[in-house]
Amino acid sequence: GPKVLQIPSHQIIDMGQMVTLNCDPVSNHLYFYWYKQILGQQMEFLVNFYNGKVMEKSKLFKDQFSVERPDGSYFTLKIQPTALEDSAVYFCASSLDGTGSNTEVFFGKGTRLTVV
Amino acid sequence: AQKVTQTQTSISVVEKTTVTMDCVYETRDSSYFLFWYKQTASGEIVFLIRQDSYKKENATVGHYSLNFQKPKSSIGLIITATQIEDSAVYFCAMRNMGYKLTFGTGTSLLVDP
Repeated sequence: GPKVLQIPSHQIIDMGQMVTLNCDPVSNHLYFYWYKQILGQQMEFLVNFYNGKVMEKSKLFKDQFSVERPDGSYFTLKIQPTALEDSAVYFCASSLDGTGSNTEVFFGKGTRLTVV
Repeated sequence: AQKVTQTQTSISVVEKTTVTMDCVYETRDSSYFLFWYKQTASGEIVFLIRQDSYKKENATVGHYSLNFQKPKSSIGLIITATQIEDSAVYFCAMRNMGYKLTFGTGTSLLVDP
């Protein structure tokens, strides 16, 4: 199926530092998402993004989090400053439609973030 | 608010048999989409199959099929002729008109030879 690419696959960062997770969505997709998963548990929704704007965010999307997709390039999740509880696997996803016939959401392989 | 519940935490079956995984959901929307995903041992999340709420016919893709019971808010996944490589964690998910995809807690499937 369509591929969502995430770079890097694993990142280790000192607590308090800034980190940017990069995502290359499927080329013609219009809706973008970030999910957080701790230790293979439930996939937790963070945020979705469309037309340059955040559409919806969850309580997990703290003030230290931000997303952007400048000039249609990478869709990024920035955490500044990082905290120990931010350690998790972050999955980027994209879909063509919001609620139409192409509403399947495709996921990247995730970036494992370790905050030390 | 949306909610997706998978009560089976783990299932073990013998290869080549059929397995059914349960999922129930809650939503106030009249129109919504239901999905099943598989997370492999490497962590990759793979889209398997989808059911639109307005469609009465159960979706089928390869050896995956769905048992959609709308009055019960239930969307079961059926895997026929299971293979060793079907061993994974299976997530049920729902998407309503608000675009967010809400996941269940997952069911771990182990297929033994």
